[in-house]
Amino acid sequence: SQQGEEDPQALSIQEGENATMNCSYKTSINNLQWYRQNSGRGLVHLILIRSNEREKHSGRLRVTLDTSKKSSSLLITASRAADTASYFCATDGFNDMRFGAGTRLTVKP
Amino acid sequence: DTGVSQDPRHKITKRGQNVTFRCDPISEHNRLYWYRQTLGQGPEFLTYFQNEAQLEKSRLLSDRFSAERPKGSFSTLEIQRTEQGDSAMYLCASSIQEQETQYFGPGTRLLVL
Repeated sequence: SQQGEEDPQALSIQEGENATMNCSYKTSINNLQWYRQNSGRGLVHLILIRSNEREKHSGRLRVTLDTSKKSSSLLITASRAADTASYFCATDGFNDMRFGAGTRLTVKP
Repeated sequence: DTGVSQDPRHKITKRGQNVTFRCDPISEHNRLYWYRQTLGQGPEFLTYFQNEAQLEKSRLLSDRFSAERPKGSFSTLEIQRTEQGDSAMYLCASSIQEQETQYFGPGTRLLVL
C-alpha cells in the first residue's frame, strides 16, 4: 500500500518560476525522501530529511518537514526545462519505503 | 548512473511464459530492494534482502514471484506463468543499511502479451 500522497498531481509552470510540491503521509516516520523520475527512467534521489529535521537545502531544492501535520514540501527555485519530471516522496516503513503517486511537473521554456 | 544496474532493460513475453530479471547493486550495499511501478503510479514495494537473507515480502508478491540473492551480491526476480497484469516496470534499489538512501537502477520494463 502507498503511504505518501503528493499534491498537486500535476503542475505546469514557466521556466524561472518556483515549483512547490506537497506530500502528506499517514504514519510515524524516521525519514522522508524525495525522488525525481524522468519519463520511463529510474528514480534519482534528491534529498533525505530525518524526522528530527525541519528544513533542508540542496542547491535549488528546499525541503521542509512538519511531523505534527505529517506533511512535507519540496520547493524547486528558478526552475528549468530540465526539471520536467515526476517527483515522488517516500517515507520509510519498517524495512521498506512507501511512495506516493507523484507530482508530474512540466516546466515550459 | 547510480551504480545499480538491471538487465534486461526491456522484456516482451507471452502470457504463461517465465521471465527472470537481474539486479546488480552498488557493491558495498547490504540491502537490496525490488519494487514494481505501473503507469502513473509510484513504485510499490515487493521484497528486500539484507545480504543474502530475504527478510520481507509484500502481499503483492504472489507465489508466482520468487526472488533470490544467493551470495549477497546480485539478485534475481523470477515471474512464473506471467499474466498481462504483470506488465510493469520492475525497479531494483540498494542501500548501505536500513533507513538510508536507496539508489535505484534504471528498471526493467516488462510487457506481457
